[in-house]
Amino acid sequence: GDSVTQMEGPVTLSEEAFLTINCTYTATGYPSLFWYVQYPGEGLQLLLKATKADDKGSNKGFEATYRKETTSFHLEKGSVQVSDSAVYFCALSPDQAGTALIFGKGTTLSVSS
Amino acid sequence: DTGVSQNPRHKITKRGQNVTFRCDPISEHNRLYWYRQTLGQGPEFLTYFQNEAQLEKSRLLSDRFSAERPKGSFSTLEIQRTEQGDSAMYLCASSPRTGETGELFFGEGSRLTVL
Repeated sequence: GDSVTQMEGPVTLSEEAFLTINCTYTATGYPSLFWYVQYPGEGLQLLLKATKADDKGSNKGFEATYRKETTSFHLEKGSVQVSDSAVYFCALSPDQAGTALIFGKGTTLSVSS
Repeated sequence: DTGVSQNPRHKITKRGQNVTFRCDPISEHNRLYWYRQTLGQGPEFLTYFQNEAQLEKSRLLSDRFSAERPKGSFSTLEIQRTEQGDSAMYLCASSPRTGETGELFFGEGSRLTVL
C-alpha cells in the first residue's frame, strides 16, 4: 500500500544552519504531497504542499520539490530559527477523492541559539 | 478562533471502561477525519465522514471503536472496554468538500490514558 518514509530524528541544529529533512514515498497513483508541522502544545498544521511532479511548495522560508523520478519530497530551509523547533511530518494523499492522508513518523527538529 | 475543537483534552480511565471523545469541526467543513497518534509515530487514520455518511471505517482498530456524525456537524469517537494499548492521542481534522485535496485542519487532540 501507499506509504511515507522520513528520516529519523531528532535533528539538532544551531540557529541559521541549513536544514534538510528527507522524505520518500511509495504510491501506486499520482499522490499529492504535504509537509505538516506540530509546534509544542499545538495541533498539526499544514506547512506546504505540492500536487504534481516538479511542483515546489514553499512557506515561511521552507521549500520542498515533488520529485517523481526519485519519489521524494525533501524539506529544506536555508537558515533555521529557534522558533522552527517542532515536529515535522511528511504526508501523502493517494488521490483526488478526499481520502485520508498517510503520514510519516515525524522528525523532531530542535534549534538552539 | 473557530478552529477544530476537541473535548475532553485529556481523559484518564480504568481498563474496561468506555470513553467518548467529541469533535466540533470548522463550521463550513463537511469532511471530518479521526486519527490516532502514539508516541513517536505519525497520525494513523481511523475513519472519515462526508456530512453524516461514514465513508471509510475499515481502519478502525477493532469493533470496540465506533464513530458517529449524526447531523453532519460534530462527531463522536467511542472506545468500549478500553485496554491499556488504547492509550494515545486521538486527533480530529476537518476539510471543506471543495477544498484542495489533503489540506486538513487539525484540532489539538484528546489524550487518552488507560490505567
